[in-house]
Amino acid sequence: GQQVMQIPQYQHVQEGEDFTTYCNSSTTLSNIQWYKQRPGGHPVFLIQLVKSGEVKKQKRLTFQFGEAKKNSSLHITATQTTDVGTYFCAGRQGAQKLVFGQGTRLTINP
Amino acid sequence: NAGVTQTPKFRVLKTGQSMTLLCAQDMNHEYMYWYRQDPGMGLRLIHYSVGEGTTAKGEVPDGYNVSRLKKQNFLLGLESAAPSQTSVYFCASSDGQGAWTEAFFGQGTRLTVV
Repeated sequence: GQQVMQIPQYQHVQEGEDFTTYCNSSTTLSNIQWYKQRPGGHPVFLIQLVKSGEVKKQKRLTFQFGEAKKNSSLHITATQTTDVGTYFCAGRQGAQKLVFGQGTRLTINP
Repeated sequence: NAGVTQTPKFRVLKTGQSMTLLCAQDMNHEYMYWYRQDPGMGLRLIHYSVGEGTTAKGEVPDGYNVSRLKKQNFLLGLESAAPSQTSVYFCASSDGQGAWTEAFFGQGTRLTVV
């Protein structure tokens, strides 16, 4: 079955440094979604990428979908303490199953 | 608009006991999912449903059963709880009308099996 791998598992940065998490799938994805989970909270949808090579930005966050639609990345520029949390990518197998990566836990030293 | 509501929020079970986790959504979503979250393992799909009366197995279905008798409710059952089922359980729903829609999550149920 489809596997979605995410690296790194943990990342600690100084406030103001950049952060990147990578997502790789064993199969071609129909689309990929990114979620953020604050400590003690539940996952909240950030964005969805559908097209090969697609790049989307949300303020300091940049999301990319690979040309082969098997990998994706999330890059945060100049992290702030509000960025703390776990970032998950999720891929759809067909139109039904939504399978998540293991997540990258981001901690920030102010 | 409550979104996705999970009941209960916390529970402690003894090994061998049974329980049912309830997920209710008021967004008229077709798709509903149950995930478990363990440290370092991310969110693993237990079971899911693409509509009322339908269920399907996810990545880690063993030891769990589900039912979707009403469109707005998705129940997760543990027939004989084991310590390995200690986890945080999340329910989610999404609109099945479009294949590319976001999932909305409940607040989670923290289950401890002793």
